[in-house]
Amino acid sequence: GAVVSQHPSWVICKSGTSVKIECRSLDFQATTMFWYRQFPKQSLMLMATSNEGSKATYEQGVEKDKFLINHASLTLSTLTVTSAHPEDSSFYICSARVAGPNTGELFFGEGSRLTVL
Amino acid sequence: AQSVTQPDIHITVSEGASLELRCNYSYGATPYLFWYVQSPGQGLQLLLKYFSGDTLVQGIKGFEAEFKRSQSSFNLRKPSVHWSDAAEYFCAVGESASGYSTLTFGKGTMLLVSP
Repeated sequence: GAVVSQHPSWVICKSGTSVKIECRSLDFQATTMFWYRQFPKQSLMLMATSNEGSKATYEQGVEKDKFLINHASLTLSTLTVTSAHPEDSSFYICSARVAGPNTGELFFGEGSRLTVL
Repeated sequence: AQSVTQPDIHITVSEGASLELRCNYSYGATPYLFWYVQSPGQGLQLLLKYFSGDTLVQGIKGFEAEFKRSQSSFNLRKPSVHWSDAAEYFCAVGESASGYSTLTFGKGTMLLVSP
């Protein structure tokens, strides 16, 4: 199956700093990528839909100025958590959909765990 | 709005015993249904999916699921559980209008396997 890779897997940062998480589709092109957030022992909550070459679509309640999403190419989307605070600590997961006719399957990255001190 | 309910937060099964994880969904149109598995600290792996056709779907690792429209259910089953199956399992429903790319997940069921 297709591979989606996230980097970094783990990141610890100080409060007030910004952190960038990358999501790459390694062996396919992804016109659309999705960013999810998962709290401990909770389900995945969709944060935003990222479309290559256009602005991301954010879900209700997600601060777009806080969580900056850039999808500059068909294989890379980035999530930047700006001015991170401890409440932003979470597990962030991206997923990607293959470009072209809808295949009906999303491929997920391995996740990035953010801890803000 | 679509929603997914996984009524069991965690389930413990003896190794070699059968398994059934419950999933109920709420969606106005024909649902696109998925089961994912997540190991600790890992991303999600697709086990199986249902779009149309045969309501009994076979997946990887010996899992299967049955779509029952009358019960709005898509329960996951495995006849004989292995210790390596211990993980968290998520049921999800996709929006057909958007090409089932936007998924709504259930809260997950943690599977524990006892010796």
